[in-house]
Amino acid sequence: EPEVTQTPSHQVTQMGQEVILRCVPISNHLYFYWYRQILGQKVEFLVSFYNNEISEKSEIFDDQFSVERPDGSNFTLKIRSTKLEDSAMYFCASRGRGRDTGELFFGEGSRLTVL
Amino acid sequence: SQQGEEDPQALSIQEGENATMNCSYKTSINNLQWYRQNSGRGLVHLILIRSNEREKHSGRLRVTLDTSKKSSSLLITASRAADTASYFCATDVRARDDKIIFGKGTRLHILP
Repeated sequence: EPEVTQTPSHQVTQMGQEVILRCVPISNHLYFYWYRQILGQKVEFLVSFYNNEISEKSEIFDDQFSVERPDGSNFTLKIRSTKLEDSAMYFCASRGRGRDTGELFFGEGSRLTVL
Repeated sequence: SQQGEEDPQALSIQEGENATMNCSYKTSINNLQWYRQNSGRGLVHLILIRSNEREKHSGRLRVTLDTSKKSSSLLITASRAADTASYFCATDVRARDDKIIFGKGTRLHILP
């Protein structure tokens, strides 16, 4: 069964360092998302991506964040200069073609710890 | 602003009982979805109900949607220990199909 895969599963970094989280969405999906979840709390929308550009982003997704689909398979989230409050689980999700296909398929997440 | 809000925040019931979780939202939607998350894992889609539907069933799950009250409920019948998880509702924002917002979730604990 096709699945969304994320790497790394856990990354520890020093404050101020750049971090890149990688995702391989399901191959025929067209809509891609990043969410984050601070431990035990709500799942927060960061950004959605369609047709090689950002379609929606939240207030959290400031200039420190960027997304890219560098090839036909990977979807990356970059945090340029990490802060302590960026520590969270980051989830990638993808969705199939057509606006009626609402179901999101999630990866298992990348846990980011900023020291 | 928060789109979906579930209640209760936490729920503990005996195995075999039914569990009901509620979700309220603020804006017009195209559809509402329910997801499940086991501790530390990714979210798994359970069921989607469209704005023109009032009730939907899938196995032991029953979802209702009341667009006039901007609310939905998820009923899990004959609960099992394996149903222990967090449950989230998720809504799109009608004019912005690519923004799917999750609520805070209900932590469900099934007691053996």
